[in-house]
Amino acid sequence: EAEVAQSPRYKITEKSQAVAFWCDPISGHATLYWYRQILGQGPELLVQFQDESVVDDSQLPKDRFSAERLKGVDSTLKIQPAELGDSAMYLCASSLGRSNEKLFFGSGTQLSVL
Amino acid sequence: QKEVEQNSGPLSVPEGAIASLNCTYSDRGSQSFFWYRQYSGKSPELIMFIYSNGDKEDGRFTAQLNKASQYVSLLIRDSQPSDSATYLCARGGGTASKLTFGTGTRLQVTL
Repeated sequence: EAEVAQSPRYKITEKSQAVAFWCDPISGHATLYWYRQILGQGPELLVQFQDESVVDDSQLPKDRFSAERLKGVDSTLKIQPAELGDSAMYLCASSLGRSNEKLFFGSGTQLSVL
Repeated sequence: QKEVEQNSGPLSVPEGAIASLNCTYSDRGSQSFFWYRQYSGKSPELIMFIYSNGDKEDGRFTAQLNKASQYVSLLIRDSQPSDSATYLCARGGGTASKLTFGTGTRLQVTL
């Protein structure tokens, strides 16, 4: 069964350091999402891509977060510098298209900022 | 008012009973609703979706939607210990196109 691939599974870093997460969506899925989930809360959308274009990054803290999907396939989310409050699960998801809201999630990256 | 509201629980039900999970939403223009199951430390997994008023059944799961009351629920029949997880309700469509999640309800199925 096709899956969304994410790496790393766990990341521990010190504050002020840079971190990067990688995601490869299910083949053929045009829409890719990065969500952040703080313990005890639901996932919150950080950025949504349609192919290589950003369609929603209204909740992305752009002073420290950046995301790209250069060839419209895999994607990278970067945080620089990391802050203590960034500790969370970072989830990548994909769907067939922007109007298709059935999201399939990757295994996530658990980030701990010390 | 949160866009999607769920009781955080925990909701405790005995094995074999029916678990009823509830969710309300604020945007009347919402058009699609989803239930995700999330085991501790794992990512969410889509288990049900519903677009029209009424009931939709899939195995032991039934999703119910009442747009007039802005209410969606998930029933799990013959609950099993393996159903113990957090259940996230999400809405899509409407005035905000992005999928918006509730905080989840933690379900505990006891032996």
